[in-house]
Amino acid sequence: GAVVSQHPSRVICKSGTSVKIECRSLDFQATTMFWYRQFPKQSLMLMATSNEGSKATYEQGVEKDKFLINHASLTLSTLTVTSAHPEDSSFYICSARALTSGKWAQYFGPGTRLLVL
Amino acid sequence: LAKTTQPISMDSYEGQEVNITCSHNNIATNDYITWYQQFPSQGPRFIIQGYKTKVTNEVASLFIPADRKSSTLSLPRVSLSDTAVYYCLVGDWNSGNTPLVFGKGTRLSVIA
Repeated sequence: GAVVSQHPSRVICKSGTSVKIECRSLDFQATTMFWYRQFPKQSLMLMATSNEGSKATYEQGVEKDKFLINHASLTLSTLTVTSAHPEDSSFYICSARALTSGKWAQYFGPGTRLLVL
Repeated sequence: LAKTTQPISMDSYEGQEVNITCSHNNIATNDYITWYQQFPSQGPRFIIQGYKTKVTNEVASLFIPADRKSSTLSLPRVSLSDTAVYYCLVGDWNSGNTPLVFGKGTRLSVIA
């Protein structure tokens, strides 16, 4: 299947700093990528839909000025957590849709563990 | 997107067959049913997808009755490494920009 990578796999930062997370589709092009957040023992929560060459679409309750998304190419989307605070500590997962055997399938990255001190 | 309902958790012994059922009463005509597996601190992994009847691959089978209002993921002869959370998702993914919305999933614990 298609491969999605994320970098970094984990990051620790001080409160008030900004953190950038990269999501790449390695062997396919993705005009659309998705960003999720997952807290311990909970399910994945969709944060936003990232569209190549246009603005991201954010889910209700997700601050677009805090979670900046840039989808500058067909293989790269970035999520920047600005002025991070301890409550932003979470597991961030990106995914991308690929056409496989004539059907769309969604592939997920390995996730990025963010810890804000 | 159709809402799904799954058991919160299940336990099984090694070597047994495990069946996880998902209810999706409001499934639409164009919706597909997809199951994902997630291990701790990893992204979800695609297991199987189907539209109707039965689908089988190297890791699982998916049974979908004629009314498509439910589906059952069958894992044959589970091992300890199958301990994970399993998510059932339903949606029309004929287009490339409809996101998957996750429910709570089923936490499967396999014990020796």
